[in-house]
Amino acid sequence: GAVVSQHPSWVICKSGTSVKIECRSLDFQATTMFWYRQFPKQSLMLMATSNEGSKATYEQGVEKDKFLINHASLTLSTLTVTSAHPEDSSFYICSARALDLGRETQYFGPGTRLLVL
Amino acid sequence: GESVGLHLPTLSVQEGDNSIINCAYSNSASDYFIWYKQESGKGPQFIIDIRSNMDKRQGQRVTVLLNKTVKHLSLQIAATQPGDSAVYFCAENIDRSTLTFGKGTMLLVSP
Repeated sequence: GAVVSQHPSWVICKSGTSVKIECRSLDFQATTMFWYRQFPKQSLMLMATSNEGSKATYEQGVEKDKFLINHASLTLSTLTVTSAHPEDSSFYICSARALDLGRETQYFGPGTRLLVL
Repeated sequence: GESVGLHLPTLSVQEGDNSIINCAYSNSASDYFIWYKQESGKGPQFIIDIRSNMDKRQGQRVTVLLNKTVKHLSLQIAATQPGDSAVYFCAENIDRSTLTFGKGTMLLVSP
């Protein structure tokens, strides 16, 4: 149980375009999902916390107008990187906090590698 | 271990040895700790967790030790296998809030 999927697994786009990444909890409901970014050989950096039905909470330094987050249901959150630039190239990982599974831990998706040309 | 710049601390062991990965956490109010394993190009995978009211917890081939006095967490892997090669992150949590990740340690297991 507690499987989280992401789509796509990798994407290459031109500078200036927008990219949408989906995060789904497959076998549990997640009232809270999290979006992280990870650069090579570095740790995960939390970008934002997404609560179902409400606005996301962004970490300091993360532009909410550039990284649009929607959490429309208990099993789906999306991250849209708007007007992507090469410096946005990174590994984006989502996680979901399990509901009613007796655990507080976060379960992570497999990540989405974004390359902006 | 703590990383400096882009260089992850690395622990190299031989297959069959026991591995110990260390983590210093920052917040004395943290009440929940998790170890994650991340293989190259993949998302972090939950290994084991421990609450602050415990000082030791065992899983299959893994043991987590918590020393709240010095804010130190360790992950012990028994009989390390090549498939254990990955980056290991500790994470701390306060009152079901967001996770704060450590900087990671790369474990390299030689056959």
